[in-house]
Amino acid sequence: DVKVTQSSRYLVKRTGEKVFLECVQDMDHENMFWYRQDPGLGLRLIYFSYDVKMKEKGDIPEGYSVSREKKERFSLILESASTNQTSMYLCASSYRVTEAFFGQGTRLTVV
Amino acid sequence: AQTVTQSQPEMSVQEAETVTLSCTYDTSESDYYLFWYKQPPSRQMILVIRQEAYKQQNATENRFSVNFQKAAKSFSLKISDSQLGDAAMYFCAYRKRTGANNLFFGTGTRLTVIP
Repeated sequence: DVKVTQSSRYLVKRTGEKVFLECVQDMDHENMFWYRQDPGLGLRLIYFSYDVKMKEKGDIPEGYSVSREKKERFSLILESASTNQTSMYLCASSYRVTEAFFGQGTRLTVV
Repeated sequence: AQTVTQSQPEMSVQEAETVTLSCTYDTSESDYYLFWYKQPPSRQMILVIRQEAYKQQNATENRFSVNFQKAAKSFSLKISDSQLGDAAMYFCAYRKRTGANNLFFGTGTRLTVIP
């Protein structure tokens, strides 16, 4: 079975902190994604990566950056956390254009 | 731009009954994938069913089936013999087959199953 693992289920950070959300997949998938999930807005894409060191902006990249130094790991970085970044963050991976597999999600609260 | 619309924020169904969740999408592509994902209260998003646009036959997975109407750009999910474990958020998603392979989601439908 494909496994996508996010480093934390719950995270509380202070405004202005630099925050790292880590995601690891074990199926050698080329594509990895970071989504943000908010009630009534569904899943919105922040960034995706189709190969090591390659990245593309999604719909809401402002305030975020990403890193993919190894194929299995895709990190989301909040350079200076703000309260409007309080949300559920979902990581996913996929092989080419097949279905995506998701991690368990990280609920981030910025206070 | 591709968009996915789920017009039913909430739905409910009696246990053992059938329910249909609606989804429409907008695209200029002719070859793409459509998906239904389920997100139970535990939060792990899991794939329910997948449809490839070039296939005319509607996909079926046990109690789950779709009604894919390509010309109408409609992709509804039918759940038969509903069970308590079907209670979840359901998301419709679209992905084109070539080029940038982003996955676009609708806003979700919360399904309640009444015992």
